[in-house]
Amino acid sequence: KAGVTQTPRYLIKTRGQQVTLSCSPISGHRSVSWYQQTPGQGLQFLFEYFSETQRNKGNFPGRFSGRQFSNSRSEMNVSTLELGDSALYLCASRASVSSYNEQFFGPGTRLTVL
Amino acid sequence: EDQVTQSPEALRLQEGESSSLNCSYTVSGLRGLFWYRQDPGKGPEFLFTLYSAGEEKEKERLKATLTKKESFLHITAPKPEDSATYLCAVHAYAGGTSYGKLTFGQGTILTVHP
Repeated sequence: KAGVTQTPRYLIKTRGQQVTLSCSPISGHRSVSWYQQTPGQGLQFLFEYFSETQRNKGNFPGRFSGRQFSNSRSEMNVSTLELGDSALYLCASRASVSSYNEQFFGPGTRLTVL
Repeated sequence: EDQVTQSPEALRLQEGESSSLNCSYTVSGLRGLFWYRQDPGKGPEFLFTLYSAGEEKEKERLKATLTKKESFLHITAPKPEDSATYLCAVHAYAGGTSYGKLTFGQGTILTVHP
């Protein structure tokens, strides 16, 4: 069974630009969560999507948004990039949306903002 | 606010030298505790899920245990390939839409020397 895939793996952008990251969950998984990982803050929850609806959101500004498609694939968008947005962005999927089961992570997208 | 603290921040062991990593948590209602392993430049790899105090899980040289306030990851006779960052995360109840949100600790960087 293929794992969680994320594209692209690496991105370099400049301040003020916007970026879109993509995530394909494990086949059959309908819940997708996004996390930001930085050396200073560690792994922080951004949001979760299920059935094309955002179910939960972390403490990030409105510049961070996402969506989910009918095939459970998800995208994350960051507008008006700032230097502090440089991070590893991780996507995770899980099988059941209504229980506290484990999440499986993709390899991440490394975003560098210059 | 949910808090997860891992110690030590870094641990250096000789091959074969057993030790333990600690994860202490303060949450309103623990619904699950998860251990992940992360290699440099990769996404976290799922290791264990623990749901209730007294529960134990084992996998090869790793054993995870859970009490009401903390979890331990015991590493028996480690090998150099066990070198990685070990992350602890919790699922805490915060209403019906909180299922997809994990709160992570900062991780323990384990280095095993041959």
